[in-house]
Amino acid sequence: GAGVSQSPSNKVTEKGKDVELRCDPISGHTALYWYRQSLGQGLEFLIYFQGNSAPDKSGLPSDRFSAERTGGSVSTLTIQRTQQEDSAVYLCASSARGHEKETQYFGPGTRLLVL
Amino acid sequence: TQLLEQSPQFLSIQEGENLTVYCNSSSVFSSLQWYRQEPGEGPVLLVTVVTGGEVKKLKRLTFQFGDARKDSSLHITAAQPGDTGLYLCAGPTDSWGKLQFGAGTQVVVTP
Repeated sequence: GAGVSQSPSNKVTEKGKDVELRCDPISGHTALYWYRQSLGQGLEFLIYFQGNSAPDKSGLPSDRFSAERTGGSVSTLTIQRTQQEDSAVYLCASSARGHEKETQYFGPGTRLLVL
Repeated sequence: TQLLEQSPQFLSIQEGENLTVYCNSSSVFSSLQWYRQEPGEGPVLLVTVVTGGEVKKLKRLTFQFGDARKDSSLHITAAQPGDTGLYLCAGPTDSWGKLQFGAGTQVVVTP
């Protein structure tokens, strides 16, 4: 389809393991956002990519979290040494140019459970 | 930090009833957005309001942006089971679209 896709849909891991979450934005969209949604909570901004500019990492909760975007398209969010509090739904969104009034299109999310 | 507070947290009504969800902040926002999220899916944008006092209608949904651009409301007339979902308000915290979300209002409409 033409929407934002994310993989895996679900991930169960053991505490201390590393995980990688993938996001495929809408083709041609230059802006890509990662958010985290914990149970009963709204979405929390994590990181933002816009074209070839340096990413805005201001929302990453700790240095165990990192993300990259290769070739201005696919993005990977990596969580090292996972903790139980990392359990959440990780959502990716893309927009055409990253302007505040543009529509952000969200993927279905990756549900991460850390045991 | 610009906080968005939504109320109520949960709303359960019967089909045909009306409901209102509120989104409030102590900060001014340049615009506010409303999303609906269904289980297992990402949020889907319903509307963006940009002008203080603005009212936008989307079929049975009416969205209002406060005159001071600090609050917004979503009113659903004659709710239907298909309106069931998590309703989220969000506002930009910079010009690049980084969004601050409210905690959401879970709406359940029973037949």
